[in-house]
Amino acid sequence: SQTIHQWPATLVQPVGSPLSLECTVEGTSNPNLYWYRQAAGRGLQLLFYSIGIDQISSEVPQNLSASRPQDRQFILSSKKLLLSDSGFYLCAWSVHSYEQYFGPGTRLTVT
Amino acid sequence: AQSVTQLGSHVSVSEGALVLLRCNYSSSVPPYLFWYVQYPNQGLQLLLKYTSAATLVKGINGFEAEFKKSETSFHLTKPSAHMSDAAEYFCAVSDQGDSSYKLIFGSGTRLLVRP
Repeated sequence: SQTIHQWPATLVQPVGSPLSLECTVEGTSNPNLYWYRQAAGRGLQLLFYSIGIDQISSEVPQNLSASRPQDRQFILSSKKLLLSDSGFYLCAWSVHSYEQYFGPGTRLTVT
Repeated sequence: AQSVTQLGSHVSVSEGALVLLRCNYSSSVPPYLFWYVQYPNQGLQLLLKYTSAATLVKGINGFEAEFKKSETSFHLTKPSAHMSDAAEYFCAVSDQGDSSYKLIFGSGTRLLVRP
């Protein structure tokens, strides 16, 4: 069966520090991968999606970037965090379908 | 562009009462529709989906939803609320067809269940 992992689960980082969040999927090949952010009391904002290795699309201009170095690995990065980057970051996958499956999320607090 | 509206950011019901969470979509072509549930500090879990088969869709945990094309709605219901149903619920609609398979999410409805 398929599983999706995210780490770390929680992270507290100072303003201006770098960021790297990792998402990996097991049990499937060539998935579509997605990064969402959920700010406090708000819905889900799609940040990036990827339909294949090195095929990354950005939905919203921002302080973040994404990479997909391997088929089932999706990384969210920043060179310098802003206070507004705080939130709950969710990774999701799908295979030839709109049905998306979500990871457990990473709670990021920028101080 | 596709969009989805969830009426009511918070809904409060008594334990044992009917749960009704509203979702309306705009789409120029028949969409795929989903309901997800999120418990505190967790990811989203798929409750049910509509993919142009039966208009009444049954999901997990006793939830169901009915696709009504004439009303562009996909409301989520459960006959009798349990305390464990307290969570945030998101309606989502498929974005128009390319290989990205993107979803557009509503802003969410937090369900509170009173004892």
